Amino acid sequence: QSALTQPASVSGSPGQSITISCTGTSSDVGYYNYVSWYQQHPGKAPKLMIYDVSNRPSGISDRFSGSKSGNTASLTISGLQAEDEADYYCSSYTSITTLEVFGGGTKLTVL
Amino acid sequence: EVQLVESGGGLVQPGGSLRLSCSASGFTFNNYAMHWVRQAPGKGLEYVSGISSNGGSTYYADSVKGRFTISRDNPENTLYLQMSSLRREDTAVYFCAGWHSSSSYWGQGTLVTVSS
Repeated sequence: QSALTQPASVSGSPGQSITISCTGTSSDVGYYNYVSWYQQHPGKAPKLMIYDVSNRPSGISDRFSGSKSGNTASLTISGLQAEDEADYYCSSYTSITTLEVFGGGTKLTVL
Repeated sequence: EVQLVESGGGLVQPGGSLRLSCSASGFTFNNYAMHWVRQAPGKGLEYVSGISSNGGSTYYADSVKGRFTISRDNPENTLYLQMSSLRREDTAVYFCAGWHSSSSYWGQGTLVTVSS
């Protein structure tokens, strides 16, 4: 199963906004509204930031938002803060064999 | 408090076997499909295997199909991953996880190192 495609890295200054893309296929991102985004700090477990394309779990800042168009989902972080610096992974339900497929991950650097 | 605690990782030779366990508490374990996700050193997340809430359906990544077996013991709130014919490329931190809608639970992971 091919991983979803994410940019390897993005960067932004404090207060700015950034967007991370996640491109899949018509068998995953494009077909199902089950895209999630995870934040992972070094040595830690992933933390759910967005589920079902655009929903935030309780306790997640509204600076984090998600969207989808066709086979590409996006995570936008507004008002960048130093603590946002982390790796971000998208995932999607897939109809091909496995239940879930992950993106390759994007390293966010806050300048 | 929700807890997922993995155990069973360690150093194993290529071709060897290992069984990972994941003990769950603080949520209704038998209501959740459960999963194993791994992360090789310095690499991204890779979905390994999943099992339905009642254990009736299982799913595997192509990279582990035929070598790994996922199972669960609902009365004991425990998830397992039996790994055999291990390869160097199976070296990773293995996370136990359960998710549904806004609920997402992950353990801290257990390191499996395949090396001679």
